[in-house]
Amino acid sequence: GAVVSQHPSRVICKSGTSVKIECRSLDFQATTMFWYRQFPKQSLMLMATSNEGSKATYEQGVEKDKFLINHASLTLSTLTVTSAHPEDSSFYICSARLAHNQETQYFGPGTRLLVL
Amino acid sequence: DAKTTQPNSMESNEEEPVHLPCNHSTISGTDYIHWYRQLPSQGPEYVIHGLTSNVNNRMASLAIAEDRKSSTLILHRATLRDAAVYYCILRTSGTYKYIFGTGTRLKVLA
Repeated sequence: GAVVSQHPSRVICKSGTSVKIECRSLDFQATTMFWYRQFPKQSLMLMATSNEGSKATYEQGVEKDKFLINHASLTLSTLTVTSAHPEDSSFYICSARLAHNQETQYFGPGTRLLVL
Repeated sequence: DAKTTQPNSMESNEEEPVHLPCNHSTISGTDYIHWYRQLPSQGPEYVIHGLTSNVNNRMASLAIAEDRKSSTLILHRATLRDAAVYYCILRTSGTYKYIFGTGTRLKVLA
């Protein structure tokens, strides 16, 4: 089946530093990847849509300069949380849509970010 | 984006069927209905999806109302491993974005 990985699985950083999270589709090519954020006891919130070779599309209220997304290849998208602050602490999850099977998204295992 | 409404929580006994309802009264004719589930500290897992007809797979069945304003995810025999938050999502035509609702937390009793 389609497998999506994320790295790292968890990260702790100091306030003011930047953190990069990778999302990889391991056995398929993904023209589109999505980034979500999930706070404790809450649902997933879509942050942005990442298309290979083009600029990401951000949802309303999500700062593009704060959450930098790069989708340089058909198997890799990265999310960089710049100048992280404690309120950015959250569970970040990516998903990927197969190029040939457009209906289903496959989700990564998530990255837990804790900003001290 | 069309919205979905689900009960916050449900309980089921082990090895009994579970019917998880979802209302989507603002669904349009080309919106697909997707179901995912999420275990604690994990990413969502695909369960099933459909457009108009009922669907079956090895995990579950999806029953879609004739007017498509509601659907029901059916787990035929609940196990302890089925305890999770189940999300009903509409995939809007023209975009492949998923807008998650609050989901239903399913508790399976041994």
